[in-house]
Parts: sequence; structure tokens; C-alpha cells
Amino acid sequence: DGGITQSPKYLFRKEGQNVTLSCEQNLNHDAMYWYRQDPGQGLRLIYYSQIVNDFQKGDIAEGYSVSREKKESFPLTVTSAQKNPTAFYLCASSLDSWSPLHFGNGTRLTVT
Amino acid sequence: AQRVTQPEKLLSVFKGAPVELKCNYSYSGSPELFWYVQYSRQRLQLLLRHISRESIKGFTADLNKGETSFHLKKPFAQEEDSAMYYCALGGGTSYGKLTFGQGTILTVHP
Repeated sequence: DGGITQSPKYLFRKEGQNVTLSCEQNLNHDAMYWYRQDPGQGLRLIYYSQIVNDFQKGDIAEGYSVSREKKESFPLTVTSAQKNPTAFYLCASSLDSWSPLHFGNGTRLTVT
Repeated sequence: AQRVTQPEKLLSVFKGAPVELKCNYSYSGSPELFWYVQYSRQRLQLLLRHISRESIKGFTADLNKGETSFHLKKPFAQEEDSAMYYCALGGGTSYGKLTFGQGTILTVHP
């Protein structure tokens, strides 16, 4: 189904390399979010954007960067400064800041 | 600081039995609470939110501010309820800025 698409599903990188995770939505949602999921820790907010050309840090933004140049796209870059990048990354969007989240299928990043 | 605690990592019940997934929260403001669910091979999705006071798939959850809890309940569990359940707390400037609990894996045995 359409909605919110994350690619790729699996991503492998060497330590020290930056990597960008894609998130695209065709729901015409204003707000978009990146969460990180680690075993036994639930989901933690990395960055969020409530409108195009604007974004804010979440709880664990260090070592990550984002951009929101288009309404439908919110790519996440995991930089070499992120100490523990191996994780499952979930992107989400919502109609506005007060609507429920719609999640993508996630990208599993492995850094060795 | 916001915090959500789901004390049970795993919960097993038999079909037709009542089920309760526990959720406690810590928040100084007015909480907005949600339950999200992830069925096998599906994406994480909203199950219910306290503000709407709906019953979804037979599940209900009542916000108890005195006990700071938002437990999810269903009187008669079904096998298709087997999934990972997350309690989440929103507030402040956005419902999307959620604080999630660690999740509870519910298994309903036939």
C-alpha cells in the first residue's frame, strides 16, 4: 500500500561513513518524524518536522541530521559522529502536530 | 521528564480470557496517551487514543490520573490480538513527539 515509504529495508555501512535513510510520504501530511528502535528500549525520537523547511531535535539527535526541503520527503543522515548507529529506524508522518502517526516499515541499519 | 513504563515485556493468555496490558506514565502536564500496535509483518499503527474514548477491536483504555496509568483491556482475547503493543505519551507542542514504553508482546494461545 502507499502512504509512507522507507528505503532501503536493510542497509549496511562501514564505520566512519555517513549514510542517508530515505523517507517519502504521499499522504500530504505536514508533520514528519524519525524514531529509533533498539531492543528492549521502545522507540526514541530523533528529529521531527512540523512543516516544510523547519525541523527540531528530538530526544536523541546527536550524531544525526535531517532536511525538509519538500513536504513529502524527510531524509535522515546518520553521521560518523553517532556512536551506536546500528538500529532499526522508523519514519512517521501525521496530518498535523495533533493527529495520530502513520509509520513506515522501517530501515534496519547495520554499521560494522 | 516524560516517562512511560510497561512492566511486562511478555504476556501470554488463552483465547477467550481477559487481557490487561499495563502502562504507567510520568508527566507533569496534561497527558495525552495512546496505544500503538504492531501485528506480525505489518507496520506500527494506532490502536486507540484516550482523548477519543473509543473502543477499537474490543480494546478499551481508561486514563487514571490518580494512579498515572493507562492500562489496555479486552474482556475476551482473540488469537488475532497477538502482537506487540506500545503505550505512548504525547503532550506539549505536538502529539507526534511521543515518549514510548518498551512494549509488551502479547501472545494469545488457542
